[in-house]
Amino acid sequence: DAKTTQPPSMDCAEGRAANLPCNHSTISGNEYVYWYRQIHSQGPQYIIHGLKNNETNEMASLIITEDRKSSTLILPHATLRDTAVYYCIVRPKYSGGGADGLTFGKGTHLIIQP
Amino acid sequence: GAGVSQSPRYKVAKRGQDVALRCDPISGHVSLFWYQQALGQGPEFLTYFQNEAQLDKSGLPSDRFFAERPEGSVSTLKIQRTQQEDSAVYLCASSLAGGGAHNEQFFGPGTRLTVL
Repeated sequence: DAKTTQPPSMDCAEGRAANLPCNHSTISGNEYVYWYRQIHSQGPQYIIHGLKNNETNEMASLIITEDRKSSTLILPHATLRDTAVYYCIVRPKYSGGGADGLTFGKGTHLIIQP
Repeated sequence: GAGVSQSPRYKVAKRGQDVALRCDPISGHVSLFWYQQALGQGPEFLTYFQNEAQLDKSGLPSDRFFAERPEGSVSTLKIQRTQQEDSAVYLCASSLAGGGAHNEQFFGPGTRLTVL
């Protein structure tokens, strides 16, 4: 899997949009960008994924640059419950016949301030 | 609905003891993963099962670590002769697998192992 780079920590005020950056300059054409988060004392939780188009779901939006070398996860209205470690992961497109283990880095510790 | 469950949630072992950690995946999920998460680090992949077959065990740190999933559902991670460096949270995840590009992994709460 391609390596990702994320800032170790970020703060955001409650109610504001939280923008979490991720660099993945060595990503290849068949690799997706995934985001997971891990709230304290819980297992990681899937948030969103994308290939090259921007994606949005009920939790977040994912903006991927045109050259696909970086992306930004956006939590539009952060709440205190969004305080967690956010992991940006690059993984190959599932090709059938099996699945692959995720390669987590250290992630970004997002702290939502009241 | 029922998610992935793990037991025990906490385990304290004396150095040299054997431990067994259990994972109950989501019903019907074909794929099952084990990860190890040291304090302050992201989870690291240990091993992967598709049904009862262990297809990848490249992440197991030593031959003291052994995983099984004999009937393709419940899995057990066994650590023999535990060492202090084995202290970590052990996470289990399951996914539907099958066709398609997206294969979300659902994680359990983990088992925190402390080796004294």
